Amino acid sequence: DAGITQSPRHKVTETGTPVTLRCHQTENHRYMYWYRQDPGHGLRLIHYSYGVKDTDKGEVSDGYSVSRSKTEDFLLTLESATSSQTSVYFCAISEWWQSNQPQHFGDGTRLSIL
Amino acid sequence: SQQGEEDPQALSIQEGENATMNCSYKTSINNLQWYRQNSGRGLVHLILIRSNEREKHSGRLRVTLDTSKKSSSLLITASRAADTASYFCAPNSGGGADGLTFGKGTHLIIQP
Repeated sequence: DAGITQSPRHKVTETGTPVTLRCHQTENHRYMYWYRQDPGHGLRLIHYSYGVKDTDKGEVSDGYSVSRSKTEDFLLTLESATSSQTSVYFCAISEWWQSNQPQHFGDGTRLSIL
Repeated sequence: SQQGEEDPQALSIQEGENATMNCSYKTSINNLQWYRQNSGRGLVHLILIRSNEREKHSGRLRVTLDTSKKSSSLLITASRAADTASYFCAPNSGGGADGLTFGKGTHLIIQP
């Protein structure tokens, strides 16, 4: 299995609080991604990174920010969590942007916002 | 990237039978990838088929691609209980670093 660790694995918090999820990889892959998975929607891309300090928005980026200060860490922050952000969040990595590269996923963070 | 649409949404078969699931997409692709997701886990890459390939095998998996119909199928032969999972396709038009787009998947249940 690819070395991807997401933390925390589960979190319950209240509306309006800030939340930061962490993705840590040991593969030295350049590309990292944050997805959310909701019933009826499949997986949707939130933000991605193509290098240290290089990030861009995905399909559902509103309400989320990301940072990547080191190759191995990609942080997802909910500045002021809302109930609509209750979801399962997955981090993924890939070695290169080329479309023939598979993505490797972490086991997810289950986030509940009350 | 574009989203694929998996069909059927759910499939229940007996252990030992073959399982077939399909994926349709809308625009031309460079390749199409299939992933599996076990309950409570992340997605696992199964197989990638390029646009110039018609069929690809990996163990008990067989993937076909028909670019004229913009469709792909995943066949799992001699199914096992451990194959119970959701399966997703990701058609990839290439050219960008903006990740893959996944549909809702096919939820496969293998009955003992």
